Amino acid sequence: DTGVSQDPRHKITKRGQNVTFRCDPISEHNRLYWYRQTLGQGPEFLTYFQNEAQLEKSRLLSDRFSAERPKGSFSTLEIQRTEQGDSAMYLCASSLRTQTGPPHRGDEQFFGPGTRLTVL
Amino acid sequence: DAKTTQPTSMDCAEGRAANLPCNHSTISGNEYVYWYRQIHSQGPQYIIHGLKNNETNEMASLIITEDRKSSTLILPHATLRDTAVYYCIVRVMEYGNKLVFGAGTILRVKS
Repeated sequence: DTGVSQDPRHKITKRGQNVTFRCDPISEHNRLYWYRQTLGQGPEFLTYFQNEAQLEKSRLLSDRFSAERPKGSFSTLEIQRTEQGDSAMYLCASSLRTQTGPPHRGDEQFFGPGTRLTVL
Repeated sequence: DAKTTQPTSMDCAEGRAANLPCNHSTISGNEYVYWYRQIHSQGPQYIIHGLKNNETNEMASLIITEDRKSSTLILPHATLRDTAVYYCIVRVMEYGNKLVFGAGTILRVKS
């Protein structure tokens, strides 16, 4: 399977614990995104990388959240001192943007299956 | 990015065309209309996008009004597997390429 993979698929933790999620994008994709989705809502953008550079962070990404993409391949999202409000589905997506100009179908974002976090 | 308005839910009979509307009355000239869908327990999936011309691919057709203030996604022959949440997104391509999702339309295809 050459799609976007995420690990773990499910995580249950106690409030105050730290958690780390991993995303493996499609291998040739240079952009990687993190989104968060709560029940009944559409995904919300958290941050994105182009290669190893983190180019944008949402205001949703508090100081307790940190994301890395050290070698421009896989990425990790860490949440420190988890709170019950962090319970959500965390989605990763990747895309390949190779040129400027009008977007084409090849620019689309491919999403992984997500990591469902439950904070007790 | 411009805001979009979609109906909360719609039903469609299996085998019939599903027409999903989206209002984006504040769209700017450099903003594209994108459609994604999310089947239960999966990540969103790209369907189609367009600027001002109608577009068609193997999944769907996108009809954009001449004033670009609204669009319709058409699934020509809906199947039960098309039951999903459909998101209409308007965005400028150069702004980091992030997607701003609304609540979307829940499409239920019924046999």
